[in-house]
Amino acid sequence: QQQVKQSPQSLIVQKGGISIINCAYENTAFDYFPWYQQFPGKGPALLIAIRPDVSEKKEGRFTISFNKSAKQFSLHIMDSQPGDSATYFCAARGGDYKLSFGAGTTVTVRA
Amino acid sequence: KAGVTQTPRYLIKTRGQQVTLSCSPISGHRSVSWYQQTPGQGLQFLFEYFSETQRNKGNFPGRFSGRQFSNSRSEMNVSTLELGDSALYLCASSLSADQPQHFGDGTRLSIL
Repeated sequence: QQQVKQSPQSLIVQKGGISIINCAYENTAFDYFPWYQQFPGKGPALLIAIRPDVSEKKEGRFTISFNKSAKQFSLHIMDSQPGDSATYFCAARGGDYKLSFGAGTTVTVRA
Repeated sequence: KAGVTQTPRYLIKTRGQQVTLSCSPISGHRSVSWYQQTPGQGLQFLFEYFSETQRNKGNFPGRFSGRQFSNSRSEMNVSTLELGDSALYLCASSLSADQPQHFGDGTRLSIL
């Protein structure tokens, strides 16, 4: 059973547009929520992460929004570029320190 | 600083064989975790090691095992390989279990 539900499965955005990926979780023991970016033939690379005591975190063009009461968090990619075309995974971790991943979102940025 | 190194990058085996995969963590990282990635099941946690001790195990059969050495390098072993074991096996390391995990590029295992 997937502990973290991620949507959409894929999205296409024009260059300069905003990509939004949503994730939801049930386990209230989760206390760390990272996002990973994966290119074909490569392992996932840590992009940005947030803890539940913060509602928003921004790093460059990437922003995480976190809604603790709704048990939801999302990734916003601003000014999307062709080089952002990749698969993005949300994840969550609790006291057992193992990461539970969403199913992934394939983002395609059209030039 | 060198990243997480996994060897070999590709492996082809037949059913019933066994395989050993290797992971060298980032220098100074003591926690090593293993994940299996498949198109159908996504990324699934296998196990985590810290200071040569397995502290967590995912829902995988006993055919999947691992170990960690005193230099934090880790190996994963799969015995009696099945077709369904075909996957990308990823290793991630972190300074400690509560720190961010950094992944290697994985070992692509194909079972014929």
